[in-house]
Amino acid sequence: DGGITQSPKYLFRKEGQNVTLSCEQNLNHDAMYWYRQDPGQGLRLIYYSQIVNDFQKGDIAEGYSVSREKKESFPLTVTSAQKNPTAFYLCASSRGERGYTFGSGTRLTVV
Amino acid sequence: GENVEQHPSTLSVQEGDSAVIKCTYSDSASNYFPWYKQELGKGPQLIIDIRSNVGEKKDQRIAVTLNKTAKHFSLHITETQPEDSAVYFCAASGKWSGYSTLTFGKGTMLLVSP
Repeated sequence: DGGITQSPKYLFRKEGQNVTLSCEQNLNHDAMYWYRQDPGQGLRLIYYSQIVNDFQKGDIAEGYSVSREKKESFPLTVTSAQKNPTAFYLCASSRGERGYTFGSGTRLTVV
Repeated sequence: GENVEQHPSTLSVQEGDSAVIKCTYSDSASNYFPWYKQELGKGPQLIIDIRSNVGEKKDQRIAVTLNKTAKHFSLHITETQPEDSAVYFCAASGKWSGYSTLTFGKGTMLLVSP
């Protein structure tokens, strides 16, 4: 079955550490997205990529970085510059005239 | 940019009742309006969507209506069941081609009591 896989499901980060969240899709979708979800805040766009080797900042890109070396993969790095990284992170992909397909999310906690 | 407002933030109904969630958008160029359902600890799932050339769309117990003039759209769930309990998000996008970004509302937590 085609789908979008995020890993790990839970991630703990120490102060000052960089961590990388994985997102892989086998749907042959061109576009991929990263959203951050906080209670009562909805989904806020961090980064998105429409094609390989190209990506754009979303509304809250500060403290995050991404790469898009392969069509199937769009990893997100949460850097030490992100002051409040504790949140639920969602990856999505899309192609054509249809809405997003979301992954099951990664819950990041600073310890 | 686009701004999407969603109301109410929480909604409690009895099983069998109807539930209505409303959203407004700011960008008159937006032409694609999906609705997502998110269960606890999971990613959102698309449940229904509508384009600006259509005023209403139904899928079994779920319907969405769009008023382009007023720039608002609504989700209607009839004969609610406990398994409908979840957080629902509306979203809007302009010039949707699969490569545009969606702007989401802040979500509505729906609780259906048996």
